[in-house]
Amino acid sequence: EDQVTQSPEALRLQEGESSSLNCSYTVSGLRGLFWYRQDPGKGPEFLFTLYSAGEEKEKERLKATLTKKESFLHITAPKPEDSATYLCAVQAGSQGNLIFGKGTKLSVKP
Amino acid sequence: DAGVTQSPTHLIKTRGQHVTLRCSPISGHKSVSWYQQVLGQGPQFIFQYYEKEERGRGNFPDRFSARQFPNYSSELNVNALLLGDSALYLCASSLYSMNEQFFGPGTRLTVL
Repeated sequence: EDQVTQSPEALRLQEGESSSLNCSYTVSGLRGLFWYRQDPGKGPEFLFTLYSAGEEKEKERLKATLTKKESFLHITAPKPEDSATYLCAVQAGSQGNLIFGKGTKLSVKP
Repeated sequence: DAGVTQSPTHLIKTRGQHVTLRCSPISGHKSVSWYQQVLGQGPQFIFQYYEKEERGRGNFPDRFSARQFPNYSSELNVNALLLGDSALYLCASSLYSMNEQFFGPGTRLTVL
């Protein structure tokens, strides 16, 4: 069964304290791995798509990387406005649907 | 350009009632997907439509149904509402069925 696991469930950082979020997956035939940011009560906001092992994408303080079994979302010198839940999802096989992890809730304190 | 829009924003229903949620995709996008998100969990896939045809269905009961119209907008219908149907219902649009999906703000459904 296709599965996505995110860790940690929650992460508290001080402003400027860099860290990484993990997304491990077991799927048959990965087509793409997606990162989203979700603020409370709102829809997920698209961040990155990664397609193959070794690929990296960057946007402001965020950098996403992909291996054959997991993806990391690196946050460099975070600010309080980076506080949100970060969701990882995969698209696999011939199915177009996304399979999501439970998310990592990030809190950045000033 | 406008993003994905959903209506209504919030909805309160009682058990046994029926509800219809609506979604308009990003202009030019031909695929719409529906997800259910309960508090503290990631979104769960309900349906995907592409060019008005059902392309995928998640593990949800037959009380859930959907359709896509010629203008690519979509409706999600839920019959015989249960308390457990209370959730944030998300619509996502994509250019084709296998591209990045962009989400709307969601409809918060509360079943009393």
